[in-house]
Order: sequence, then structure tokens, then C-alpha cells
Amino acid sequence: EIVLTQSPTTMAASPGEKVTLTCRASSSVSYMHWYQQRSGASPKLWIYETSKLASGVPNRFSGSGSGTSYSLTINSMETEDAATYYCQQGSSYPYTFGAGTKLELK
Amino acid sequence: EVQLVESGGGLVQPGRSLKLSCAASGFTFSNYYMAWVRQAPKKGLEWVATISTSGSRTYYPDSVKGRFTISRDNAKSSLYLQMNSLKSEDTATYYCAREIYDGSYVMDAWGQGASVTVSS
Repeated sequence: EIVLTQSPTTMAASPGEKVTLTCRASSSVSYMHWYQQRSGASPKLWIYETSKLASGVPNRFSGSGSGTSYSLTINSMETEDAATYYCQQGSSYPYTFGAGTKLELK
Repeated sequence: EVQLVESGGGLVQPGRSLKLSCAASGFTFSNYYMAWVRQAPKKGLEWVATISTSGSRTYYPDSVKGRFTISRDNAKSSLYLQMNSLKSEDTATYYCAREIYDGSYVMDAWGQGASVTVSS
């Protein structure tokens, strides 16, 4: 099983601040996917195939990485970006998710 | 518009069974792999099951293998999860999700979730 480790677990960012979330895999994966989950809502696909933005995702978001190290970056934090972000690998079964990074507004 | 609507959740005693349903609309259901993902209270996401387009292939993590069965009815655009021998640790919100393959499998649409509580 591929274990995904996200860091940090929780962080707070001010409006306009640059934010980087990381996800490390215990074995190499072909791509990483990211989901956003706001409080009380269902998860939403946010970034897929490492760097492609899902429909409707603002272009202040970006994704990068390869092998075992991946990241999600927000160029300039906005209020609506406060949420929990999960990474997920679909390269091999069992699919696995990271434990999530809770991003709060400072 | 893609819509996934789960139903069938509720309170069930340990050791008993429950069947969840997911009604799909807004896309050609038979063309997509489908999955169930769960989230225990205040916890992260856990993949529970995947089924191929025809239903001939199914996949599960060890945590539910042998207890849960995923199935589908393409004529009814519906997905199911039969859960047997339920344990307290199966308490969670269960999401139905559509899968797409874009280099690897990713869940691009999610339902609103069905709450399952396993307790005596």
C-alpha cells in the first residue's frame, strides 16, 4: 500500500500570502490528485494529474511534483481558500488519500 | 449537470447489514468506473470500493474485503454498496464518486454523502 504523508497538518495564512502544501508518497506514483473539502461539504476534485486544474478552480492554484514528492501552491491566499486539502494516488490499488492539510485564514 | 445522490444510510447495530444506493444522472453511467469513499467523523477520506463499467471487476481495501460488496445496475444508472457484518469503525459518511482515468484514476464527481452509524 502506498502511504501518502501530507504536511503541514494545519496551517494559517493571511490574505495575499503564498501557500504551499506538500504530499509525499512512500513509493513512486505516476500522478497525484488533490481535493478540496470545505466544512460540512463533500470533497471536490481540485487538481488532477499533478498539475491540471479542475473545472472552475482559480488559476492562483497550481500543482507540481513527480515520483514521491508533490505540492499544491496557492499564489495569493483568499478567504474562500480556507478548507482541508487531501492528496490521492490512483496509480495502484488500494487507492490512498493523505490525512489532509487544514488551511485556515489568519 | 452530473448528479450523484446517495440514499439508504442510517443507524444499524453491530453485526447487521445495510445497503447504500447511489442514483446517477447527467452522464452516461455505463461508461464510467464508479467508487465508494467514506469519511469517519472528524477524520480523513478512505477509499472503500471500485467497480468497472460492466461490473465484472471489483476492487476493495483489506479493511472491507469480504464484508462489503459493490455492484451496479447500468439500466437504472445506479450504484450500490452492500455492507455486511458492520463494525463500529464503519461509522462514516459514505460518498458515491465517479472515476475517470487520466494517467491514473481520479474521482471527478462526488455525491452529498449518506451517513451510516453502527452502534448498539
